[in-house]
Amino acid sequence: ETGVTQSPTHLIKTRGQQVTLRCSSQSGHNTVSWYQQALGQGPQFIFQYYREEENGRGNFPPRFSGLQFPNYSSELNVNALELDDSALYLCASSGLAGGGNEQYFGPGTRLTVT
Amino acid sequence: DQQVKQNSPSLSVQEGRISILNCDYTNSMFDYFLWYKKYPAEGPTFLISISSIKDKNEDGRFTVFLNKSAKHLSLHIVPSQPGDSAVYFCAATVRNLYGNKLVFGAGTILRVKS
Repeated sequence: ETGVTQSPTHLIKTRGQQVTLRCSSQSGHNTVSWYQQALGQGPQFIFQYYREEENGRGNFPPRFSGLQFPNYSSELNVNALELDDSALYLCASSGLAGGGNEQYFGPGTRLTVT
Repeated sequence: DQQVKQNSPSLSVQEGRISILNCDYTNSMFDYFLWYKKYPAEGPTFLISISSIKDKNEDGRFTVFLNKSAKHLSLHIVPSQPGDSAVYFCAATVRNLYGNKLVFGAGTILRVKS
């Protein structure tokens, strides 16, 4: 069974740029959630995707957007990067939309905005 | 508005003894609770969970207790091992079909001394 994978591992961007982060869900899982973890804090929910549609969103501005593909992999896009976007971005997959009780996380992408 | 709180930033325990990690929540709608463990440079790893209809769930060395009236849950690790040293996150969710987001606490750093 393949776990959740994310790419890239690390990324450095300049304020105002755009970034795309990628996630492959665990085999058999059809729901992907994205979280942002700032230093010293717990992960914060960004949004969730099920069947290629957004299925719940946290308190993040519209410049955070995403996609899910037919193979259940997903992308997180962030436009107009700000310094406060520097964080660890975590992708998690689960088996059922909404009611997938346990979410399984990838290793994360460390984004630094300068 | 912190709906899930872990008030102890760190905990140090001797190998072989019990580790008790605590978590409080404010949202009475939460009906499922999870504990995750996180090592540096890795994503959170699911440990154990509990539904709001139960007050205890046990899995090997890990036991989670839920006190709904106090809106409090705890994770007991017995016996503690040096490999248990990590950051532990408590998370809660309201299960539904429209986006089951996990709400995390800020984490507790557990150090198990040998």
